[in-house]
Amino acid sequence: AQKITQTQPGMFVQEKEAVTLDCTYDTSDPSYGLFWYKQPSSGEMIFLIYQGSYDQQNATEGRYSLNFQKARKSANLVISASQLGDSAMYFCAMREGPFGEYGNKLVFGAGTILRVKS
Amino acid sequence: GAGVSQSPRYKVTKRGQDVALRCDPISGHVSLYWYRQALGQGPEFLTYFNYEAQQDKSGLPNDRFSAERPEGSISTLTIQRTEQRDSAMYRCASSLERQDLAKNIQYFGAGTRLSVL
Repeated sequence: AQKITQTQPGMFVQEKEAVTLDCTYDTSDPSYGLFWYKQPSSGEMIFLIYQGSYDQQNATEGRYSLNFQKARKSANLVISASQLGDSAMYFCAMREGPFGEYGNKLVFGAGTILRVKS
Repeated sequence: GAGVSQSPRYKVTKRGQDVALRCDPISGHVSLYWYRQALGQGPEFLTYFNYEAQQDKSGLPNDRFSAERPEGSISTLTIQRTEQRDSAMYRCASSLERQDLAKNIQYFGAGTRLSVL
């Protein structure tokens, strides 16, 4: 079974509008972390936001927020007020197990390409 | 340095040659990770180190792949007798790996694009 599923291969959004990128995950471990990374056309991998499985509130970082629904095992990324520079590939990733226990490797989804239209 | 540095950025080699990819992590970061990313896909874990100790090498695809981090800082990923299927982006990441930092965010380098002809 896929650990991380990103069902939207590509998304379009109008500049200044909000967009939600979907991510569902599969784990039986009660302790895990969820991450979103941005990969622009230049090829870098830029960390955006983190959500821990025990965090009570949804994570927010500037225009990025994470809609964390634990029972549904989803961790959708919401980008508000989209900008042209948001056009990129976005990856959802998970780290299973308590901090440090399983080596902290990240498992990534296949990614979603976001295109912001002017 | 300010970020994770990888060299070379691009490497073209002929099938059967050995290649060595270098990663210089963020100064002070304890953990170092190697991932491989095929075109249009997410990165896949290869191996990781805490200091100089290789903690997990379960993602290395076969014994042609090896990695070392002898002094707990710079790491080298070596691929022997390269094959065309080894062509990919190889990414390195580093993190602090302290017990009080539950997030353990991994910061990635720009990667090395390997092409095996």
